[in-house]
Amino acid sequence: IAGITQAPTSQILAAGRRMTLRCTQDMRHNAMYWYRQDLGLGLRLIHYSNTAGTTGKGEVPDGYSVSRANTDDFPLTLASAVPSQTSVYFCASSWTGNRGLTGELFFGEGSRLTVL
Amino acid sequence: LAKTTQPISMDSYEGQEVNITCSHNNIATNDYITWYQQFPSQGPRFIIQGYKTKVTNEVASLFIPADRKSSTLSLPRVSLSDTAVYYCLVVVMDSNYQLIWGAGTKLIIKP
Repeated sequence: IAGITQAPTSQILAAGRRMTLRCTQDMRHNAMYWYRQDLGLGLRLIHYSNTAGTTGKGEVPDGYSVSRANTDDFPLTLASAVPSQTSVYFCASSWTGNRGLTGELFFGEGSRLTVL
Repeated sequence: LAKTTQPISMDSYEGQEVNITCSHNNIATNDYITWYQQFPSQGPRFIIQGYKTKVTNEVASLFIPADRKSSTLSLPRVSLSDTAVYYCLVVVMDSNYQLIWGAGTKLIIKP
């Protein structure tokens, strides 16, 4: 079982270009998340999705968009990349049962993005 | 809304027990406390979760006092491979669906 797969692993991108980071999970989790982690810092939530067909804004959503067309995929798009979006991006998923969020998130290995 | 505060860094020696404390003064009645471990160039990995008192699994223990305003992750007999960043997370169990992450504690284990 692969768990969470992110692609690309790393990318160098010119400012102003459009970029989509892909995330796929095979655990049938209903909730998915995108975080960014800047060098030496903690995690900041960009967008999340509670279930297929719904998305929500996190702490730092500006400049990013997401979609959740099905349970397994949760792509993150940078419409026009800027240097401040240089970061490591982590996708995660979790199962939320009747009591709500369980707190056990499964993370991908990250996508390292450099915007020049 | 809960805010989590944890030490920026700690160091210890192989074979010692390490305790990392997280403060979450405004934790709500139904919120859970969770801890994650992150190695360089990897995503965080779930370690343990608890609500109150003590929880133990094969890798760690989590101590939560009665007032729940703090929690302590305890790692028994650490080894060099336990060098990592440890994150405290408060799981807010309401309709707003929030996960409140701490800034992380960088733990360095020395030989």
